[in-house]
Amino acid sequence: SAVISQKPSRDICQRGTSLTIQCQVDSQVTMMFWYRQQPGQSLTLIATANQGSEATYESGFVIDKFPISRPNLTFSTLTVSNMSPEDSSIYLCSVEDWAGQGTSYEQYFGPGTRLTVT
Amino acid sequence: LAKTTQPISMDSYEGQEVNITCSHNNIATNDYITWYQQFPSQGPRFIIQGYKTKVTNEVASLFIPADRKSSTLSLPRVSLSDTAVYYCLVVSGGGADGLTFGKGTHLIIQP
Repeated sequence: SAVISQKPSRDICQRGTSLTIQCQVDSQVTMMFWYRQQPGQSLTLIATANQGSEATYESGFVIDKFPISRPNLTFSTLTVSNMSPEDSSIYLCSVEDWAGQGTSYEQYFGPGTRLTVT
Repeated sequence: LAKTTQPISMDSYEGQEVNITCSHNNIATNDYITWYQQFPSQGPRFIIQGYKTKVTNEVASLFIPADRKSSTLSLPRVSLSDTAVYYCLVVSGGGADGLTFGKGTHLIIQP
């Protein structure tokens, strides 16, 4: 199973600033995903990041607000730009791995980055 | 992917068996049923996945009837540490897709 770390684990930022979240995986993976989990809510997929290509964003999320980098097969960053209090959430990255014969894929999640925007 | 419906919350007691049912009426032929568990301040964790009939691992069992329009996650002899949110998801067999999470079931285990 993949082990994922994220930095920072939490941060408090002022509105109008930007924060870059790092996601590091202990093995090479093709697909990486970024999610947002607002307080008391479920997870929402922000984008899918493949190494060597532009990230694919879900409806409601745009590259200017959430630029993503994927420089290699073990690392990705998500930037939350021009932050407002509505961006206060937990941001999680995940990777996909084959779950075994007779099954499909499972995803491993990082511990998340808790962002508070004041 | 098929939308899933599951109870918002459930209560049980230590030592009991807990069954959480999920409906997915529009599941496609190559879709799998997958359950994740999430504790506060942690990312979701994969529990179990199945296509049909019954799947069992060291953590849980998953029962899927022949029509695959529903599934039941069974947690044997729960403990306080099983208090968490449990998400039922339908995932494509081909992978390469982000996951669509519903609201999940908030399971509270009492002593």
